Amino acid sequence: DADVTQTPRNRITKTGKRIMLECSQTKGHDRMYWYRQDPGLGLQLIYYSFDVKDINKGEISDGYSVSRQAQAKFSLSLESAIPNQTALYFCATIDKGLWNEQFFGPGTRLTVL
Amino acid sequence: AQSVTQPDIHITVSEGASLELRCNYSYGATPYLFWYVQSPGQGLQLLLKYFSGDTLVQGIKGFEAEFKRSQSSFNLRKPSVHWSDAAEYFCAVGAKGSSNTGKLIFGQGTTLQVKP
Repeated sequence: DADVTQTPRNRITKTGKRIMLECSQTKGHDRMYWYRQDPGLGLQLIYYSFDVKDINKGEISDGYSVSRQAQAKFSLSLESAIPNQTALYFCATIDKGLWNEQFFGPGTRLTVL
Repeated sequence: AQSVTQPDIHITVSEGASLELRCNYSYGATPYLFWYVQSPGQGLQLLLKYFSGDTLVQGIKGFEAEFKRSQSSFNLRKPSVHWSDAAEYFCAVGAKGSSNTGKLIFGQGTTLQVKP
């Protein structure tokens, strides 16, 4: 089984709908991240969490919110989806050292019509 | 501001040929440098990283990268490309002495196509 899983893998929704993307990990890592990938822009950090009680905004957090339900679960929500949030979303985890390898999930492709 | 530039959006090489993917970064001090690979439909996987010491680092899958401070570069190389290397490659920098986020700044990515 994969160490970092994301659900759903693909989602098509309409403008104004609320969407939740879920991430689960079995690596036992405390630190989790949500990234957004747009063609030609690389990955941009949306939110990150160092433990259940520690949530931090990344560089593009507007329009998004997160919930860290447990050490293993980190969810990303779009309260009112808009078309320019159409993108590929990745969850990642990292072991205690800040600059250790980040382990990425397979991604969720979200389309907002 | 910190930034990472991958000048080549798309590269095509023949199987068995050598490969070099370019990466330039902008940061005042010595950064932590990474190369990740993203195969189709997959998440990113770490190929290699540089923190300090020997400027030539070896990674998985036969890749290596060389840190050149004078050129602010961290180019990825492979002597002989295999068809399975077709993927998107991302260079990333982590800034030492930042707000301890572990945040990576990614380049735009280079898509590698391998011809038979």
